[in-house]
Amino acid sequence: AQSVTQLGSHVSVSEGALVLLRCNYSSSVPPYLFWYVQYPNQGLQLLLKYTSAATLVKGINGFEAEFKKSETSFHLTKPSAHMSDAAEYFCAVSDGTGGSYIPTFGRGTSLIVHP
Amino acid sequence: KAGVTQTPRYLIKTRGQQVTLSCSPISGHRSVSWYQQTPGQGLQFLFEYFSETQRNKGNFPGRFSGRQFSNSRSEMNVSTLELGDSALYLCASSLVPGIRDGYTFGSGTRLTVV
Repeated sequence: AQSVTQLGSHVSVSEGALVLLRCNYSSSVPPYLFWYVQYPNQGLQLLLKYTSAATLVKGINGFEAEFKKSETSFHLTKPSAHMSDAAEYFCAVSDGTGGSYIPTFGRGTSLIVHP
Repeated sequence: KAGVTQTPRYLIKTRGQQVTLSCSPISGHRSVSWYQQTPGQGLQFLFEYFSETQRNKGNFPGRFSGRQFSNSRSEMNVSTLELGDSALYLCASSLVPGIRDGYTFGSGTRLTVV
């Protein structure tokens, strides 16, 4: 069965600092992996996805994530945080087991950006 | 092109009532999935529809139901509302079932049960 763990329900950084949001997954087969962002009172927006092509995936708003099979991780990074990056971030995994690609979402990490 | 449209944005209902939420997917998208989001449980899968057929269902009681119309619009219904049904209900659309390309989400319907 697939599962995903996001380490840290809250991450606080200063504006201009590196952003690192952690995601570890569990899957019995090669998975598809996603990061979504949710701003207050809005739905989720797809940031980036890994679908077994390049292991380093670039997304929107300067975010990128690296798939590391040996570590079962898919951490999200951004070199320099901006105030507008403050939001909730969700990692999701989907591996197609049982013929279904319904994704499992992590509990989310709230990114706080200080001026 | 227009995004995923969910109506209404906000609802306040009383325990025991029923409620219907609506979702119009992106034009050309034929698959619609519904999620319940709460602070305590996070995002939980409710249903997935494709071509007017329910393909997958999450672990929710029978009070939660849904359907999809021939134009791909979808509705979900919750009967005999309970306080614990208070949540943000999110609709997500995709071209076809299967998450490989990711979902496009609507802004959600915030349901408050009093």
